[in-house]
Parts: sequence; C-alpha cells; structure tokens
Amino acid sequence: GDSVTQMEGPVTLSEEAFLTINCTYTATGYPSLFWYVQYPGEGLQLLLKATKADDKGSNKGFEATYRKETTSFHLEKGSVQVSDSAVYFCALSDRGGTASKLTFGTGTRLQVTL
Amino acid sequence: NAGVMQNPRHLVRRRGQEARLRCSPMKGHSHVYWYRQLPEEGLKFMVYLQKENIIDESGMPKERFSAEFPKEGPSILRIQQVVRGDSAAYFCASSPLQGADGYTFGSGTRLTVV
Repeated sequence: GDSVTQMEGPVTLSEEAFLTINCTYTATGYPSLFWYVQYPGEGLQLLLKATKADDKGSNKGFEATYRKETTSFHLEKGSVQVSDSAVYFCALSDRGGTASKLTFGTGTRLQVTL
Repeated sequence: NAGVMQNPRHLVRRRGQEARLRCSPMKGHSHVYWYRQLPEEGLKFMVYLQKENIIDESGMPKERFSAEFPKEGPSILRIQQVVRGDSAAYFCASSPLQGADGYTFGSGTRLTVV
C-alpha cells in the first residue's frame, strides 16, 4: 500500500538557518504530494502541493519539488523564523487529486530558536 | 466564511461511555473526511462521507465506531463503549469536490478516555 516516510524530529535550528525536512514515498500510480503544517493546538493547514513529476510547490518561503526518480518531496526553506516552529507533515493522495484519501507521514517537529 | 467547525474541542469520557464528535463542514462543501491522530503519529484516514452516504470507510475500526453525515446538520463520528486506546485527536476535513486537493481541516477534537 501507499506509505510516506519522513525524517524523525525534533529538528532544532537557529533563526535564519537553512531548513530541509526529508520525505520519501511509496505509491502505485502517480500520486499528488502535499506538505501540511500543524501549529500547537490547531488543525492542519496546507502549506504547499505538487501534482506531477518535476512540479515545484512553494508558499511562504517554503519549497518542495516532486522527484519521481527518487520518490521524494523534500521540504526546504532558506531562512527559518521562530514563527515557523510547528509540526510538518508530508502526505500523498493516490491517483492524483481526484482521489479522496490522504496518507500521512508521522510528522517532523521543527523548533526554531533565537 | 467560517472554516470547518469541530466540537467539542476537548472531550473526556470514562471507559465504557459513548463519545460523539461533531463536524460542520465549510459552507458549500458536501464532502467530509475523518482522520485520527494518535500521540506522536501522523493522521490516519478513517472515513469519507457525502450527504447521507458513506463513500469509503476502509479506515474505520470494525466495531464500536460509526459515522454519519445527514441531509441536515453536522457530520457525527460516534464511538461506543470507549476504551483507553481511543484517546486521540480526531480531525475532520471538508472539500467542495471529491479529491484531496481541496481539503480544509478543522481544529480537531481531543478525546481523552479515563
């Protein structure tokens, strides 16, 4: 079945440091890929998405590129802020955006300090 | 335009009691999804409903769990005879069309079974 593997956290960075959170996936067919962010006590918010190979999703300085050859969708940001502290989830939906079920990774907690 | 509304935010039940979790989708959204997040884990799909229909319940435990989305009113996730292992955060999402691209998540209900 489909699965998503994320690097384990927590990840602790100083403000303005470069961020990478690794995500790899296993899926049949051609899934859509997503990054969600969860702030303490809140639900998940869509951060960015990509629907086909070589697409790059971007939002709020975060980027991720859909790499079919390495089945990866790593999240990057050039300069993190304290306000980026949250839990980040990588996810996929099978059969592209027409499918309804999301498969999530276990989440990576990011802590940014001054 | 209010987002996805879940209530209650926190729910405490004793073992053997019933838990009822409510989800009001965004206005204009007719597709509802329920996910469960166990401590330190990612979200796991439970069930996908449209008005008066269960479309996919492949993630629902076979016993004690049920879900409905009536013609009028919120979607309800019902857990009978709760056990400690049911303690988790339960998230609802809604979308205007079928597909994970259009998900909006609620803030969740945190169920604690004592």
